[in-house]
Amino acid sequence: GEDVEQSLFLSVREGDSSVINCTYTDSSSTYLYWYKQEPGAGLQLLTYIFSNMDMKQDQRLTVLLNKKDKHLSLRIADTQTGDSAIYFCAESIGGYSTLTFGKGTMLLVSP
Amino acid sequence: DVKVTQSSRYLVKRTGEKVFLECVQDMDHENMFWYRQDPGLGLRLIYFSYDVKMKEKGDIPEGYSVSREKKERFSLILESASTNQTSMYLCASSLRTTPYEQYFGPGTRLTVT
Repeated sequence: GEDVEQSLFLSVREGDSSVINCTYTDSSSTYLYWYKQEPGAGLQLLTYIFSNMDMKQDQRLTVLLNKKDKHLSLRIADTQTGDSAIYFCAESIGGYSTLTFGKGTMLLVSP
Repeated sequence: DVKVTQSSRYLVKRTGEKVFLECVQDMDHENMFWYRQDPGLGLRLIYFSYDVKMKEKGDIPEGYSVSREKKERFSLILESASTNQTSMYLCASSLRTTPYEQYFGPGTRLTVT
């Protein structure tokens, strides 16, 4: 079955690194995604990783994928107060273009 | 840049009213989606469409219908609004090819009283 799990809340200090974790259950996931949602707004795609990759880096963002453990993480370096938002992990499965989303992790960055 | 727009940011309707939520995308995407977002429940897929006049039920289609007469436009219809349909509604679009990344509109916060 399809299920994506995330912890609900993470609090960090400005300048620290943040690591948001996600687990998924379907081994046929082809792409995994991270989205960001600021208050009152829609979801913004941050990055995605293909399932045959282990890591992807994009400026302050690093995505790590452990396919054996079905574990995905998003690391934000030098976290800023503007990074405070809800972060969603999502997966696509097989040849389908629908995504399954986790419930989101609220990241709070304090000065 | 992909742009997905939704007809209203905030909407207040009465129980029993027929409600139309409209979504327009400008990037010639084949796929369009309607989600609702509720605290503690995350995003749940209501309906999606992979082509004009085509539609597929998502996880929670009951009480909703959709219409896609043109490629760029996807409408969500609440035939008879109920208070349990008070929610944030999000529209998204994507290409039909990998990596299937979806682009979202700003959302419509619907309150049914």
